Amino acid sequence: NAGVTQTPKFRILKIGQSMTLQCAQDMNHNYMYWYRQDPGMGLKLIYYSVGAGITDKGEVPNGYNVSRSTTEDFPLRLELAAPSQTSVYFCASSYQGAYEQYFGPGTRLTVT
Amino acid sequence: KQEVTQIPAALSVPEGENLVLNCSFTDSAIYNLQWFRQDPGKGLTSLLLIQSSQREQTSGRLNASLDKSSGRSTLYIAASQPGDSATYLCAVPLSGTYKYIFGTGTRLKVLA
Repeated sequence: NAGVTQTPKFRILKIGQSMTLQCAQDMNHNYMYWYRQDPGMGLKLIYYSVGAGITDKGEVPNGYNVSRSTTEDFPLRLELAAPSQTSVYFCASSYQGAYEQYFGPGTRLTVT
Repeated sequence: KQEVTQIPAALSVPEGENLVLNCSFTDSAIYNLQWFRQDPGKGLTSLLLIQSSQREQTSGRLNASLDKSSGRSTLYIAASQPGDSATYLCAVPLSGTYKYIFGTGTRLKVLA
């Protein structure tokens, strides 16, 4: 199993540009999560999904959108990128909400 | 609102010491508590998950305890090794949900 994969690993965006961060898991997990981690801080939940077609907002959803059309994929869309979105983004998955979470390697995004 | 605090923020110990990392949370109505390890520039790795009905969990040299009534969890690392050097984070879900709130972590350095 590849586990949780994320692409790209690094990206530099200009202010106002848009992009999609890709996340995929091959463990047949129902729950998937997007977090952001700013330097010296813990992780903050952006969005999460409990299954295909079902998503919900986390702590910091503004400026982001998600969709979950399949069990495997959970892309995160950034519209009109702002410097405040400079961060490291982690995708995670778990079999159910009460189970341990498996994390991807992260995407380091810089908006200038 | 759930708040998660980890003390100390950083810790440096000589190899072989037993040590305790602390995690406090404000809302005790949680389903579980998870401890993670994060190496520099990497994603998170799940170490231990304690369900709300459990008092502790063990994995090798790691032992995590949970006291819901006092809003505390501790991660005990026995006979620390330089390979244990990493940041350790705890996470609990918002009451009635699986939206996880993370602490800011304890950065551990074990000196050879």
